[in-house]
Amino acid sequence: DGGITQSPKYLFRKEGQNVTLSCEQNLNHDAMYWYRQDPGQGLRLIYYSQIVNDFQKGDIAEGYSVSREKKESFPLTVTSAQKNPTAFYLCASTLARGADTQYFGPGTRLTVL
Amino acid sequence: AQSVTQLGSHVSVSEGALVLLRCNYSSSVPPYLFWYVQYPNQGLQLLLKYTSAATLVKGINGFEAEFKKSETSFHLTKPSAHMSDAAEYFCAVKSGGSYIPTFGRGTSLIVHP
Repeated sequence: DGGITQSPKYLFRKEGQNVTLSCEQNLNHDAMYWYRQDPGQGLRLIYYSQIVNDFQKGDIAEGYSVSREKKESFPLTVTSAQKNPTAFYLCASTLARGADTQYFGPGTRLTVL
Repeated sequence: AQSVTQLGSHVSVSEGALVLLRCNYSSSVPPYLFWYVQYPNQGLQLLLKYTSAATLVKGINGFEAEFKKSETSFHLTKPSAHMSDAAEYFCAVKSGGSYIPTFGRGTSLIVHP
C-alpha cells in the first residue's frame, strides 16, 4: 500500500540535543511538507519542498532544518536552537507543486525532557 | 491572501444528533476548500474537498459540506452523529495562486452517548 511513514512515533530529547524526524513516502509525490501541531493552534508550516534538492522555509522555520536528497525522503532536524520543540510533527505530501490534496503521515510526538 | 476561521474550538453533540462544524474563509480568488479529520495521535485524513464543481460536496463517513460564496462559508454537516465521529476537524483553504493550504485552528467534536 502506498503512503507516508514517519518514525519514530514517540521521541524524547534532552535539552541541547539535535534530533532528526524521519518522513518517507512511496506515493511518487514531488512535493513534501513538515507541519508542527500544538493544541488549539492548528497546523503551522515549518518547511516544504517542491522538488528534490530544493526546499523553502515556512512560517516557523527557525530552529529547524531539512534536506531533500531523495524524492521519497524529507527528514526534519529539530536543533537545539528551537526553544520550545515539544509538539506533534506531521509530514505531508502532494502529487505535484500546487496539487490540491495533501496526504499526511501518522505523526511524531516529540517531548523535551 | 488566504485565511480560514473555524468557529468554536469544541462542539459537543449527542449520539444521533445533527453535527454542524463551521468554517469561514477569506480568499482573493476562487478557492479550493477542504475538511480533514484527525483521530487522536494520528495524521490528518481528507474528508471532502470543494474545487469549483458542485457547491454541495459529499465526503466519507456521511459528511457533507456546502460552499456558499455569498457567506464565504464551507460548513461541515452530518445528519446523525456516531460515537466514532469524535475527533478533531480541520478546515483548510488554498487559493489558486498559492501552493500551500492554510489550515484553521481545528474544532474538537465530542459525541455523548
